[in-house]
Amino acid sequence: KQEVTQIPAALSVPEGENLVLNCSFTDSAIYNLQWFRQDPGKGLTSLLLIQSSQREQTSGRLNASLDKSSGRSTLYIAASQPGDSATYLCAVRPGTGGGADGLTFGKGTHLIIQP
Amino acid sequence: EPEVTQTPSHQVTQMGQEVILRCVPISNHLYFYWYRQILGQKVEFLVSFYNNEISEKSEIFDDQFSVERPDGSNFTLKIRSTKLEDSAMYFCASRPFGTYGYTFGSGTRLTVV
Repeated sequence: KQEVTQIPAALSVPEGENLVLNCSFTDSAIYNLQWFRQDPGKGLTSLLLIQSSQREQTSGRLNASLDKSSGRSTLYIAASQPGDSATYLCAVRPGTGGGADGLTFGKGTHLIIQP
Repeated sequence: EPEVTQTPSHQVTQMGQEVILRCVPISNHLYFYWYRQILGQKVEFLVSFYNNEISEKSEIFDDQFSVERPDGSNFTLKIRSTKLEDSAMYFCASRPFGTYGYTFGSGTRLTVV
């Protein structure tokens, strides 16, 4: 059974710092990996999607990498801003096929950017 | 940008009552999902739906749950006899065919009292 772990569980940093959020998964047979942002009491906003054949994806100040063989992904946030404060979730889609494509989520990293 | 729309945003129901949560997926998407998030816990997969039938369901999705796509736009989750432990945020999601990612709705917060 796939397990997704995110470290750290919480992080508080001053505005302007670059930071790295970590995600690890136990079964490397994934189809893709998606990073989401969740604001308190709100839905999930997709940030980046990395296919299993890709090594990284970039969107603005965000960069996500994937090392499928070691079961790891990182989300790099450059020049952090108070508006980046949220919970960041990592989710993997299984690569087993046969219609099984439910995502497995980590518990998230709760990020606070201090002004 | 197209959105997944969920209604209602909040619902309070008494234990043992039936509840229906509604979702309008993005119009050209073919795969539909329900997830739930109990307060303070992980987002958990419930069920996926494709071509008018369930393609996968988790252990959570027991006989108390059912899904339906009654017309060309709506996708519903029904809980037949709600329990206190069904209290959670329920998210609907959809995706198109191929390698694309998921789009999630803003959720329905269900409180069972």
